[in-house]
Amino acid sequence: AQKVTQAQTEISVVEKEDVTLDCVYETRDTTYYLFWYKQPPSGELVFLIRRNSFDEQNEISGRYSWNFQKSTSSFNFTITASQVVDSAVYFCALSEYTGTASKLTFGTGTRLQVTL
Amino acid sequence: GAVVSQHPSRVICKSGTSVKIECRSLDFQATTMFWYRQFPKKSLMLMATSNEGSKATYEQGVEKDKFLINHASLTLSTLTVTSAHPEDSSFYICSGQRQETQYFGPGTRLLVL
Repeated sequence: AQKVTQAQTEISVVEKEDVTLDCVYETRDTTYYLFWYKQPPSGELVFLIRRNSFDEQNEISGRYSWNFQKSTSSFNFTITASQVVDSAVYFCALSEYTGTASKLTFGTGTRLQVTL
Repeated sequence: GAVVSQHPSRVICKSGTSVKIECRSLDFQATTMFWYRQFPKKSLMLMATSNEGSKATYEQGVEKDKFLINHASLTLSTLTVTSAHPEDSSFYICSGQRQETQYFGPGTRLLVL
């Protein structure tokens, strides 16, 4: 069975600090996708990134960066110079292909609070 | 691109009534849509996978006669909560699958009195 662990339940930082959100996954599949979603207080889940299991290149998008390490089954997310607007719950997710659809297994989420 | 809408965003109903929630993919065709339920401060719980033109696949423990799902077109899936009870009060959120990624709607807050 697939499993995603986000050990950090809540993180509080002061604006402009860097913060890393951890994600560890378990799967027996050789082909899979990893995702990060942001859920602000409004409730909508915003897609941030998708990473293929064969692509271990790290990715940077503005202040966001992701570190995928297959050897440790981790897909960590770093926000550089955090801002108040980054306050949200962040979910890491792992896909499982069922033949016609890609079901997602979500972690329990990390609530990030960025204060002035 | 990849925008999903949900309607209504919020609904209050009396116990025993039925409520229909619509999920639309606005700028892409979604052969597969998913329905989730989320309790306060909790993660998302997959309720069912909805495939256009066929019956939905429900997760274990989800009553298919209570949560009716219809996916009649490539851009619309509906979830009907039948004979709603206060314990059905929750945040319901749908997603449409485009390539390998699920794009989520803004969610529907259901309160059953």
